[in-house]
Amino acid sequence: GNSVTQMEGPVTLSEEAFLTINCTYTATGYPSLFWYVQYPGEGLQLLLKATKADDKGSNKGFEATYRKETTSFHLEKGSVQVSDSAVYFCALSHNTDKLIFGTGTRLQVFP
Amino acid sequence: EAGVTQFPSHSVIEKGQTVTLRCDPISGHDNLYWYRRVMGKEIKFLLHFVKESKQDESGMPNNRFLAERTGGTYSTLKVQPAELEDSGVYFCASSQTGYASGYTFGSGTRLTVV
Repeated sequence: GNSVTQMEGPVTLSEEAFLTINCTYTATGYPSLFWYVQYPGEGLQLLLKATKADDKGSNKGFEATYRKETTSFHLEKGSVQVSDSAVYFCALSHNTDKLIFGTGTRLQVFP
Repeated sequence: EAGVTQFPSHSVIEKGQTVTLRCDPISGHDNLYWYRRVMGKEIKFLLHFVKESKQDESGMPNNRFLAERTGGTYSTLKVQPAELEDSGVYFCASSQTGYASGYTFGSGTRLTVV
């Protein structure tokens, strides 16, 4: 069945460091891929998405490229801020409106 | 517009008790979804309403869970009787389009069963 695997956290970085959170998926065909973020005390928010191979989603300095050949959708940011501290979830949707999520990766950014 | 509202934000109950979670979707959103995250694991789908009808309840774990959506407006998720493994965060989302990219999530209810 369809599934999402993302790196375990927590990921701990200093401010202005480069961030990568790995995400790979298992699905037939071409699912839509998403990154959601949950800031402390808030709900899940859509951060970015990509709907077809080689698409790049981007928002708030974050980017992720849909790589069909490696079934990956890694999240990157060139320079993280303390305010980026949150839990990040990779997810897919395939031929349905249901989302399949990964386990989440907690990011902690220190000044 | 107001977002998706869930309450309570936190609930601590004893094993065997009953708890009811509520979700108020964005006005006009016909699609309402329940998801939950159990103790650091992945967020999993529970069920999907279209208006007052259950479109898909394939993720409901067992018959201790009962979801309703009165008049196609707010929804409740009742757990009766609660077990320790029900502890987690329960998320509600609503959507106008029915597409995954159109979800708006609430901030969740953290349920702790002791």
